[in-house]
Amino acid sequence: AQKVTQAQTEISVVEKEDVTLDCVYETRDTTYYLFWYKQPPSGELVFLIRRNSFDEQNEISGRYSWNFQKSTSSFNFTITASQVVDSAVYFCALRGYGAAGNKLTFGGGTRVLVKP
Amino acid sequence: DAGVIQSPRHEVTEMGQEVTLRCKPISGHDYLFWYRQTMMRGLELLIYFNNNVPIDDSGMPEDRFSAKMPNASFSTLKIQPSEPRDSAVYFCASSRGGGAGNEQFFGPGTRLTVL
Repeated sequence: AQKVTQAQTEISVVEKEDVTLDCVYETRDTTYYLFWYKQPPSGELVFLIRRNSFDEQNEISGRYSWNFQKSTSSFNFTITASQVVDSAVYFCALRGYGAAGNKLTFGGGTRVLVKP
Repeated sequence: DAGVIQSPRHEVTEMGQEVTLRCKPISGHDYLFWYRQTMMRGLELLIYFNNNVPIDDSGMPEDRFSAKMPNASFSTLKIQPSEPRDSAVYFCASSRGGGAGNEQFFGPGTRLTVL
């Protein structure tokens, strides 16, 4: 079975601070993808980043960066120099090629509040 | 291009009534997914279709829920009869291809309140 755990339920920061969101996953699949989605107060789900299980190279995209550690089954996400518009709920998700098929399994989400 | 379209955006109904949620996937996408989001259970997959055929409905909570996809551009999720515990946000998503890396594009969701 697939499982995604986001231990942080809420993080509050002041604008321009960095925010790191933790994500730990469980899967029996050897091939899988990890995702981060953002859900702003308006409610829609917005795709942010995707990483496959064969590529542990960490990357930076604008103010977003991610740290994929297969050995610890973690896929952490960082927002650098946070802005008020970053206030949202962030979901980590996992999708494998195995028995779970096309099921996208979401974590419980982390609410980020960026104060001016 | 238009994204995934869902209607209505908000629905308030009384217990026992039939509710129909609608979804138009992105043109050219061959996979369609229905998710439900609640405070208690978070985001969970209800059912998904490939080329209009239901592939996995193991997430459908009970027989009161049914989903159809009569053609590539339209899907419905029906609850009959509705109950207060069905109150949630229902998302439709679509993707081109069913690989694990294929991005799912989500609609804006339908917020359902059953009184």
